[in-house]
Amino acid sequence: GAGVSQSPRYKVAKRGQDVALRCDPISGHVSLFWYQQALGQGPEFLTYFQNEAQLDKSGLPSDRFFAERPEGSVSTLKIQRTQQEDSAVYLCASSGFEGLRQPQHFGDGTRLSIL
Amino acid sequence: DAKTTQPPSMDCAEGRAANLPCNHSTISGNEYVYWYRQIHSQGPQYIIHGLKNNETNEMASLIITEDRKSSTLILPHATLRDTAVYYCNPSGNTGKLIFGQGTTLQVKP
Repeated sequence: GAGVSQSPRYKVAKRGQDVALRCDPISGHVSLFWYQQALGQGPEFLTYFQNEAQLDKSGLPSDRFFAERPEGSVSTLKIQRTQQEDSAVYLCASSGFEGLRQPQHFGDGTRLSIL
Repeated sequence: DAKTTQPPSMDCAEGRAANLPCNHSTISGNEYVYWYRQIHSQGPQYIIHGLKNNETNEMASLIITEDRKSSTLILPHATLRDTAVYYCNPSGNTGKLIFGQGTTLQVKP
């Protein structure tokens, strides 16, 4: 399939552990976005990449959250020293141009549960 | 970033038109209005977007008021598979989407 792929689909971790969530965007898409969706809420913006450059990280809730996209394609969202409030679905989206006007294509997310 | 207001839930009979309103009174001049929907356990799916003119595609129609402070998404012939949460999202140059609570549309047989 040519859609956005996220892995793992589900992740369970103990409080205090580090986790890494992967996003494979649609091939050739320049822009990549990460969102966090708590249960029963709409997605909330975390960060945005244009190619390998992280242009906006205003939505990252703390310095425990870190995202990278070193070669301008695959992206990883890392959460250090996880806490229970980090439990959520993490969604990745990509779009074809520099974030301008092109619709975002979403993956089905990684459901993170912190015990 | 513009804030949005949508009714929390709506019902629609199968085969009838579903009209979903959104208020975005603080939208700025360069922000488009995007509509997405989310079916349980899936990522949001793009439906349609517009700036100030009405738009139509194979999924839906979008009506934007002249002052751009509100819009309506129209699903002309709702089916059971259209049951989902619908979000309207003003978005500017960054492309970042601001999701509100959305409207849960229940299509009933």
